[in-house]
Amino acid sequence: DGGITQSPKYLFRKEGQNVTLSCEQNLNHDAMYWYRQDPGQGLRLIYYSQIVNDFQKGDIAEGYSVSREKKESFPLTVTSAQKNPTAFYLCATSTGFNTEAFFGQGTRLTVV
Amino acid sequence: SQKIEQNSEALNIQEGKTATLTCNYTNYSPAYLQWYRQDPGRGPVFLLLIRENEKEKRKERLKVTFDTTLKQSLFHITASQPADSATYLCALPTSGTYKYIFGTGTRLKVLA
Repeated sequence: DGGITQSPKYLFRKEGQNVTLSCEQNLNHDAMYWYRQDPGQGLRLIYYSQIVNDFQKGDIAEGYSVSREKKESFPLTVTSAQKNPTAFYLCATSTGFNTEAFFGQGTRLTVV
Repeated sequence: SQKIEQNSEALNIQEGKTATLTCNYTNYSPAYLQWYRQDPGRGPVFLLLIRENEKEKRKERLKVTFDTTLKQSLFHITASQPADSATYLCALPTSGTYKYIFGTGTRLKVLA
């Protein structure tokens, strides 16, 4: 069953802790993305990767880090430096130029 | 900088009518534009892609237009149904990269 798996669906974190969100895909897509969505707002790009072992900052990369060691995986770490991490996080993939993005079901992170 | 604008106010229409949503962009000449549907708590789902040399594209009850002079795309849902109620997002690629920029989305509610 092809697709994008984000885990966990819900995540609670204490202030000051780092937390890692998982994103795995079996679509064999080259590009992967992380977006953040706040209530009533659109998607804001955190990081994206066009190829293994390479990634680029998006519009709101501060306080986040990523890695792309395998084509299938693009984990996102929300660090303690992120001042307001409570949000809905979406992972997406695409095959490249002129193609649509496929999204996972999202991880809702809450800082308690 | 590149900017995408969608009407942030919710659009309420009666079942059976045509819904029209607008996406405007500035400082930008995209090669194509995409529309997505997002249901609450879920990731966006791709609907349609229209290229700069296409004026109009249709898929079942959906129609998208792309006016590169006005820098505007219109998204129409004909014979709307309550099941069409969702948030609709437009997205544009950044030239030379795999990066997508999303609008804030317009929430559509179809009243039975």
